[in-house]
Amino acid sequence: AQSVTQPDIHITVSEGASLELRCNYSYGATPYLFWYVQSPGQGLQLLLKYFSGDTLVQGIKGFEAEFKRSQSSFNLRKPSVHWSDAAEYFCAVDTSGGGADGLTFGKGTHLIIQP
Amino acid sequence: DTAVSQTPKYLVTQMGNDKSIKCEQNLGHDTMYWYKQDSKKFLKIMFSYNNKELIINETVPNRFSPKSPDKAHLNLHINSLELGDSAVYFCASSQQGYYGYTFGSGTRLTVV
Repeated sequence: AQSVTQPDIHITVSEGASLELRCNYSYGATPYLFWYVQSPGQGLQLLLKYFSGDTLVQGIKGFEAEFKRSQSSFNLRKPSVHWSDAAEYFCAVDTSGGGADGLTFGKGTHLIIQP
Repeated sequence: DTAVSQTPKYLVTQMGNDKSIKCEQNLGHDTMYWYKQDSKKFLKIMFSYNNKELIINETVPNRFSPKSPDKAHLNLHINSLELGDSAVYFCASSQQGYYGYTFGSGTRLTVV
């Protein structure tokens, strides 16, 4: 079965600094890959997704992610974080293309922004 | 128009009660899902329904039963609520080949 690992439970970054959140997946083929963000008390907002093609994917709010097949990774990056980026970030994989298996989520990374 | 709507947004109830959470999608998607987010923020799929057929059931206690009157609705009924059922429950929808999922805003269930 597929699995997703987000090795960092918490990350603290100074405002204006760059950010990279790590995500590794385990699956026999290339899954569809997603990053979601959840602000406190809110629902899930899709930041970006990868299905095929260019391995560098641009998303909303200035985020990007790079798919690296050789490393089974899909790391999320942002060149300069803002205080409003403080939230929980989830990496997820889809192995059925919107079908029955749904999404498998990592355990999330809690991002703290220091002033 | 909200694509995936859940009601209620908050639900506080006593142990042993039976409760339902409703979900509706207006996207015409074929598959709907229920996810549970526990106190540690971990999201796990509970059920998926495709054209009113239960596709998977991830070792969820049989006190939880999804009910789908039609393709646009997937309700979650919970019997004999326990303290450990306290969580946020998210409904979502998708379609084969759509390559994306639309989530509802969540229902925060608190069992006291």
